[in-house]
Amino acid sequence: GAVVSQHPSRVICKSGTSVKIECRSLDFQATTMFWYRQFPKQSLMLMATSNEGSKATYEQGVEKDKFLINHASLTLSTLTVTSAHPEDSSFYICSARPLPVLRGNQPQHFGDGTRLSIL
Amino acid sequence: QQPVQSPQAVILREGEDAVINCSSSKALYSVHWYRQKHGEAPVFLMILLKGGEQKGHDKISASFNEKKQQSSLYLTASQLSYSGTYFCGTERGSGGGADGLTFGKGTHLIIQP
Repeated sequence: GAVVSQHPSRVICKSGTSVKIECRSLDFQATTMFWYRQFPKQSLMLMATSNEGSKATYEQGVEKDKFLINHASLTLSTLTVTSAHPEDSSFYICSARPLPVLRGNQPQHFGDGTRLSIL
Repeated sequence: QQPVQSPQAVILREGEDAVINCSSSKALYSVHWYRQKHGEAPVFLMILLKGGEQKGHDKISASFNEKKQQSSLYLTASQLSYSGTYFCGTERGSGGGADGLTFGKGTHLIIQP
């Protein structure tokens, strides 16, 4: 149980292209999903918290207009990298926690990640 | 604030033990441990919630000292499959469970035959 599906797994595109990444919880519901970014040989950095039915919460230094997040349902969140540039190339990973979440007693389940390469 | 992990890297022979530490300058409400293999997403190992809590399964266990704001991951009789980068993730805020995790820089573990 507690499977998170992320699609696509790999994207290679030209500079200026917008790229949409989907994150789905397959067998549980999640009012909150999280988007992380990981550069090579570095740690995972939280980019934003996606909230079902309301605006996403972005971490300091993350551009809201650059990384558009939509949490359309209790099982789907999308991240759109708008007008992507080479410096946006990274490994993007989403995670979700099954409901109910009580004081952090549920693990965050990660999707398989999306490797984004902007040429 | 990012938790501090130590050591940065460990090289072991199969069957040896390892300890990975995670400490924070801020109060911790929970500590999450993950292992990540190259090119893959992190895989959940365990969560520790209470001060003094210890957990374990198979030959991997962990402890959490809430007062010292520290957690340690213990790998005993290591196997080749244990190789990877280990991350501790701490929960921010009031521990309500709706926060993202702040991860340490990771500990690279290499197990040699």
